[in-house]
Amino acid sequence: AQSVSQHNHHVILSEAASLELGCNYSYGGTVNLFWYVQYPGQHLQLLLKYFSGDPLVKGIKGFEAEFIKSKFSFNLRKPSVQWSDTAEYFCAVSNSGGYQKVTFGIGTKLQVIP
Amino acid sequence: DGGITQSPKYLFRKEGQNVTLSCEQNLNHDAMYWYRQDPGQGLRLIYYSQIVNDFQKGDIAEGYSVSREKKESFPLTVTSAQKNPTAFYLCASSIAGGVTEAFFGQGTRLTVV
Repeated sequence: AQSVSQHNHHVILSEAASLELGCNYSYGGTVNLFWYVQYPGQHLQLLLKYFSGDPLVKGIKGFEAEFIKSKFSFNLRKPSVQWSDTAEYFCAVSNSGGYQKVTFGIGTKLQVIP
Repeated sequence: DGGITQSPKYLFRKEGQNVTLSCEQNLNHDAMYWYRQDPGQGLRLIYYSQIVNDFQKGDIAEGYSVSREKKESFPLTVTSAQKNPTAFYLCASSIAGGVTEAFFGQGTRLTVV
């Protein structure tokens, strides 16, 4: 069974600080990896995704994530956060092919202080 | 506009009653999903469907039932057997197979009193 572990449940940063949110997954086969963001009062929306190729993936709003296969990790990074990045961030994994199932982590609440 | 519509946004029911949450999509997606979101527990998969007339149990299917009679629709019934039904329910859809992202509805907040 696939699973996702997010290490930081609540993160508080000042504006301009760098961000790194940890995500590890467990699955024996080929996976697709995602980061979703949920801004206050809004839908969940995709931030970035990895399916193959360059393990460093760039997403919207200056976010990036690096897939490290040997560590089963897909950490999210941003060099300099803004107040508008205050949101909840979810890492997710889906199995490639077959009966695709998407599993989410428990989420990390990011609070950016002006 | 294409998207996923969940209705209603807020729903109240008495304990012991079954209740059905609606989810409709016009994105022509084959796959649809139901998640439950609780504080501190993230999104947990209840049921998912990759094709019409077929669906699979997710991680917390007990006390829930679904149907997938049409491609556009994936209603979720919260039965009286669900011990803790008060929660925020999210429906999602995606193109089945391969590399796909899920698109989410606005959610339904169910309160059972």
